[in-house]
Amino acid sequence: NAGVTQTPKFRILKIGQSMTLQCTQDMNHNYMYWYRQDPGMGLKLIYYSVGAGITDKGEVPNGYNVSRSTTEDFPLRLELAAPSQTSVYFCASSPLTGPEAFFGQGTRLTVV
Amino acid sequence: GNSVTQMEGPVTLSEEAFLTINCTYTATGYPSLFWYVQYPGEGLQLLLKATKADDKGSNKGFEATYRKETTSFHLEKGSVQVSDSAVYFCALRSNNNDMRFGAGTRLTVKP
Repeated sequence: NAGVTQTPKFRILKIGQSMTLQCTQDMNHNYMYWYRQDPGMGLKLIYYSVGAGITDKGEVPNGYNVSRSTTEDFPLRLELAAPSQTSVYFCASSPLTGPEAFFGQGTRLTVV
Repeated sequence: GNSVTQMEGPVTLSEEAFLTINCTYTATGYPSLFWYVQYPGEGLQLLLKATKADDKGSNKGFEATYRKETTSFHLEKGSVQVSDSAVYFCALRSNNNDMRFGAGTRLTVKP
């Protein structure tokens, strides 16, 4: 059982480039989340989704976009990368029947 | 809005010492509360949880009690080991299903 899978694991972007961080889960979870973790800091919620076709902003949504066309996938899009978006990004999911979240291994993004 | 405040780190203890990491929260309604642990280079793993007032979550010798009257969920362990060295995050999941995390507390246990 793969759980929550994030790709890529590492990426270096130049300022102004765009990219999509992929997240997929095979547990049929309704809820999915994107967080960023800055060095020595906690996790900040970027966007979350309570089901296919539904997304909501979290604490720090500016500069990001998401979509949820299927239950399994929740990609995070950066349109114009900025150095302030250098961070580790975590995707998570949780089921309808239980409150805890299950995390992917993270994507380390550096914008130069 | 919903938020979690946890004790600033880092915390350094000797093996077999008693551990407390404080966590308080702000939320409407009745959130579920969690402690997650993050080992170097890894994602977060659920350590324990409590879903209603006065519930005690426990796992691997760690415990935390959901105290609604003080809006707290402090993490405790009676005797820490070197292998407990990690970053610990307090978190809540609110009634509208967003999950918020505290800033994390880095624990180092020395032999």
